[in-house]
Amino acid sequence: SQQGEEDPQALSIQEGENATMNCSYKTSINNLQWYRQNSGRGLVHLILIRSNEREKHSGRLRVTLDTSKKSSSLLITASRAADTASYFCATDDRETSGSRLTFGEGTQLTVNP
Amino acid sequence: DTEVTQTPKHLVMGMTNKKSLKCEQHMGHRAMYWYKQKAKKPPELMFVYSYEKLSINESVPSRFSPECPNSSLLNLHLHALQPEDSALYLCASSPGLLGQGVRGPQHFGDGTRLSIL
Repeated sequence: SQQGEEDPQALSIQEGENATMNCSYKTSINNLQWYRQNSGRGLVHLILIRSNEREKHSGRLRVTLDTSKKSSSLLITASRAADTASYFCATDDRETSGSRLTFGEGTQLTVNP
Repeated sequence: DTEVTQTPKHLVMGMTNKKSLKCEQHMGHRAMYWYKQKAKKPPELMFVYSYEKLSINESVPSRFSPECPNSSLLNLHLHALQPEDSALYLCASSPGLLGQGVRGPQHFGDGTRLSIL
């Protein structure tokens, strides 16, 4: 079962605008990861934030993590048409053994040129 | 281009056929995964191999049979599938444990699009 919930389910913005996606989870985690999936392709890892980190940056991406609220957000700044994709958060849960990720339901981002 | 290679990219098979999906990685990763993904849904974990041993089977029906011949290869043998098994099948690999108990990110192939007639 999927424990993560993402909102919004779908987001449509204009090129150059910022896009923010949110993820909530229910368990204690080792880390939280964000992935992108272009249509018809596999998932691509974007960024990993550890449970003792609060914020992380990678290029135009900014991820925050609030373990007290069990939530994370992904901000994409100055969006481009090529950012159009589905975005998934995934948690590496402390309670599970092995390398199991629990994926959220995903946000479909459309960036209009 | 992805570092995890899956073949074939597309597969159409009848319910009585036997086929295999193949996955290969040369990153030295010791954990490999099979996922099933339906349209507009997140990937669902099926199997995990860690150091070539099956470590997780998410109660997958026996018509799906995984195999890990060596640390670089992962197969998924298919037999007597049902129409509801039509989906994108994704393979992934990860380094497993990194320092300080952090498990590394997963690297995905582009999947096999499977259609069951």
